[in-house]
Amino acid sequence: AQSVSQHNHHVILSEAASLELGCNYSYGGTVNLFWYVQYPGQHLQLLLKYFSGDPLVKGIKGFEAEFIKSKFSFNLRKPSVQWSDTAEYFCAVNGLNTGFQKLVFGTGTRLLVSP
Amino acid sequence: DGGITQSPKYLFRKEGQNVTLSCEQNLNHDAMYWYRQDPGQGLRLIYYSQIVNDFQKGDIAEGYSVSREKKESFPLTVTSAQKNPTAFYLCASSIDGTDNQPQHFGDGTRLSIL
Repeated sequence: AQSVSQHNHHVILSEAASLELGCNYSYGGTVNLFWYVQYPGQHLQLLLKYFSGDPLVKGIKGFEAEFIKSKFSFNLRKPSVQWSDTAEYFCAVNGLNTGFQKLVFGTGTRLLVSP
Repeated sequence: DGGITQSPKYLFRKEGQNVTLSCEQNLNHDAMYWYRQDPGQGLRLIYYSQIVNDFQKGDIAEGYSVSREKKESFPLTVTSAQKNPTAFYLCASSIDGTDNQPQHFGDGTRLSIL
């Protein structure tokens, strides 16, 4: 069975600090990978995705993530966080074995950015 | 604006009662999903539907039922057989459920047992 691990449950940073949120998955085959974000009071929305090609993908609001196949990882990064990045971040994986997308989500990381 | 509407936002249920959560989308998406979110556990898939009149069990379907009679609607019924129904429920949709299509989420319904 697929699983996703997000080891950082809560992260507190000051504005302008660099961010890296860890995401590891377990699945032996080809995968699509996603990061979703939930800002306070808003619905879950897509931050970025990896399907194929360049393992370094860029998303909205200056976020990027790198797929390292050998490490089964898809860590999220941002060089300089802002107060508005305060949110909960979810990593998700879809194993490409059925042709139908069934996402497996991690437990989420709550990021608090202090001004 | 197109999107997914979940209602109600908050729902209270007495033990032993069935309750139905509404999910409507006007995105013209074929695929729809129901997730349950518990603190510290992320999102878990309850049911999904790839097309009208078809749906499949997800990872935690026991105690839940769904229907998909219309493309835009995918209601979830939490039955009395669900032993721990208190949770946050999220509905999502995607264009056709294929691997490379992102899912769009509603605002969720928080269900509590009285």
